[in-house]
Amino acid sequence: AQKVTQAQTEISVVEKEDVTLDCVYETRDTTYYLFWYKQPPSGELVFLIRRNSFDEQNEISGRYSWNFQKSTSSFNFTITASQVVDSAVYFCALSEWGTSYDKVIFGPGTSLSVIP
Amino acid sequence: DVKVTQSSRYLVKRTGEKVFLECVQDMDHENMFWYRQDPGLGLRLIYFSYDVKMKEKGDIPEGYSVSREKKERFSLILESASTNQTSMYLCASSRSDSPLHFGNGTRLTVT
Repeated sequence: AQKVTQAQTEISVVEKEDVTLDCVYETRDTTYYLFWYKQPPSGELVFLIRRNSFDEQNEISGRYSWNFQKSTSSFNFTITASQVVDSAVYFCALSEWGTSYDKVIFGPGTSLSVIP
Repeated sequence: DVKVTQSSRYLVKRTGEKVFLECVQDMDHENMFWYRQDPGLGLRLIYFSYDVKMKEKGDIPEGYSVSREKKERFSLILESASTNQTSMYLCASSRSDSPLHFGNGTRLTVT
């Protein structure tokens, strides 16, 4: 069975601090996708990143970076120099690869508050 | 830009009522999904559809049904609403092998 765990329920940081959101997943599949989504107070989930299981290279996009480690089944997300606009709920998710549809399993989410 | 539109942002219904939640996408996506979001549980898949008139049960289909008569529209139906169906409902769509695009959600309260 597939499962995504985000152990941090809520995190508060002061603006400009770095913060890492943890994600641990379980799957028996050898090929899969991992995702991060952001849900701001407006409610709409926004796609941030997708990685496939064969690509363990870390990725950086501006202040955002992702660390994928298959050995520990983790896909952690770091925000550098956090800003108030980063306040949101962040979801890590997992899906099979190679199906004609994306049945995506989500973690419980981490609520991030960035305090000015 | 992909647009997924959910017909209502907030909805209040009484126990036992039949409730329809509507979702429309404008990007010709094959796949459509209904999730419910509850604190501490994340998003849980109710039903999904990968083609017109096709539907598949997700992880928590009990008490729900769906309808997809046209490619762009995917309806979630609560046959007889109950208080434990009070939740945020999120619709999403995708093309095969692409990320999900979500609507803004419908916050349903059943009293």
